[in-house]
Amino acid sequence: GQNIDQPTEMTATEGAIVQINCTYQTSGFNGLFWYQQHAGEAPTFLSYNVLDGLEEKGRFSSFLSRSKGYSYLLLKELQMKDSASYLCAVSNSNYQLIWGAGTKLIIKP
Amino acid sequence: IAGITQAPTSQILAAGRRMTLRCTQDMRHNAMYWYRQDLGLGLRLIHYSNTAGTTGKGEVPDGYSVSRANTDDFPLTLASAVPSQTSVYFCASSVTSGGTDTQYFGPGTRLTVL
Repeated sequence: GQNIDQPTEMTATEGAIVQINCTYQTSGFNGLFWYQQHAGEAPTFLSYNVLDGLEEKGRFSSFLSRSKGYSYLLLKELQMKDSASYLCAVSNSNYQLIWGAGTKLIIKP
Repeated sequence: IAGITQAPTSQILAAGRRMTLRCTQDMRHNAMYWYRQDLGLGLRLIHYSNTAGTTGKGEVPDGYSVSRANTDDFPLTLASAVPSQTSVYFCASSVTSGGTDTQYFGPGTRLTVL
């Protein structure tokens, strides 16, 4: 079967750094997405990785290792507004997105 | 309108009733999708449309139907609602259906079936 695993919940302190991991087993791979979803709102796009390595975009970075079936999202200089769920999704061989259940990130002052 | 809109925002429905969730986008995207999101589970694809006039089944299509008469609109119909269809429903669109394009989501419809 196809599976995306992420931690259910994480807690971090304002101003700190947090890393959210995602491991996947899918039928084929055509890229990995990270989305942010605030409570009661729609998911919004954060990043896309298709090649191995680190993609940096401001305070957010995303890393991919295709051989390990592994990605992480790194959030720096955490702000209270970063409290949200972070969704990992993989585009499989049929170009359909397979979604993880999401990681709820709680930021404490 | 800008982006994707969904209606209604929320709805309480009696079991057995028919319901259509509306979705409209003004970005001229070719591909559109319907997902449901349930607590503890990832987004699950119900139906999709690669382009106007075509539709396909996703992971959980049973009990749902869709149509794509034009580029902008992609309604989702529950022919006879059941309590297990209680969920938050998101419509999304992307430029193409290639699976590497960013999907943009509507605000969602919260549906409760009693």
